[in-house]
Amino acid sequence: ETGVTQTPRHLVMGMTNKKSLKCEQHLGHNAMYWYKQSAKKPLELMFVYSLEERVENNSVPSRFSPECPNSSHLFLHLHTLQPEDSALYLCASSQEPASRDTQYFGPGTRLTVL
Amino acid sequence: GQQLNQSPQSMFIQEGEDVSMNCTSSSIFNTWLWYKQDPGEGPVLLIALYKAGELTSNGRLTAQFGITRKDSFLNISASIPSDVGIYFCAGQISSGSARQLTFGSGTQLTVLP
Repeated sequence: ETGVTQTPRHLVMGMTNKKSLKCEQHLGHNAMYWYKQSAKKPLELMFVYSLEERVENNSVPSRFSPECPNSSHLFLHLHTLQPEDSALYLCASSQEPASRDTQYFGPGTRLTVL
Repeated sequence: GQQLNQSPQSMFIQEGEDVSMNCTSSSIFNTWLWYKQDPGEGPVLLIALYKAGELTSNGRLTAQFGITRKDSFLNISASIPSDVGIYFCAGQISSGSARQLTFGSGTQLTVLP
């Protein structure tokens, strides 16, 4: 499945760095999502954008800043992260309003914060 | 918040054996989903269930949406080595502008030759 792509696939950064994760969906969807996946824990929803408007922010620290410039692209800007932020960050997309379809995930960015 | 209890956490089985895993919730969902995740990849949808009592198959996989809408199970028959991975259940609530997925913590499946 190559409908949702994410770059970079791996990222190592120091706590003082600023970096961005990119997600692009080629499915014609109008909603996009950021999830955090830590070891031994369920996927945690971070942000939801629908029609380029943020509709959900699950109490995510301000050191994570999402941006959705259009319905095909989603960014996650990172700054002054902590080691506990190391995780797999997954992007997903869906078509809304709700239909029988569901969310499709990208391959994720493996982030390591030193 | 909503929580899903997924069990077992891990399974070691012999190739050719059948596998069963399940999820339960204290909340009602209007859709149940089963995903598989391979190392270094994102979750890939295996089966989606939309109606209470629905039983759906996808090859060797069979899943059911519980009558109470609070549980679901996934069966894999005649397991093969490529079935190895982490299987996640997810309950879905659709709210018009977006949909909310609540994930289980996953079942790590190992298939021994």
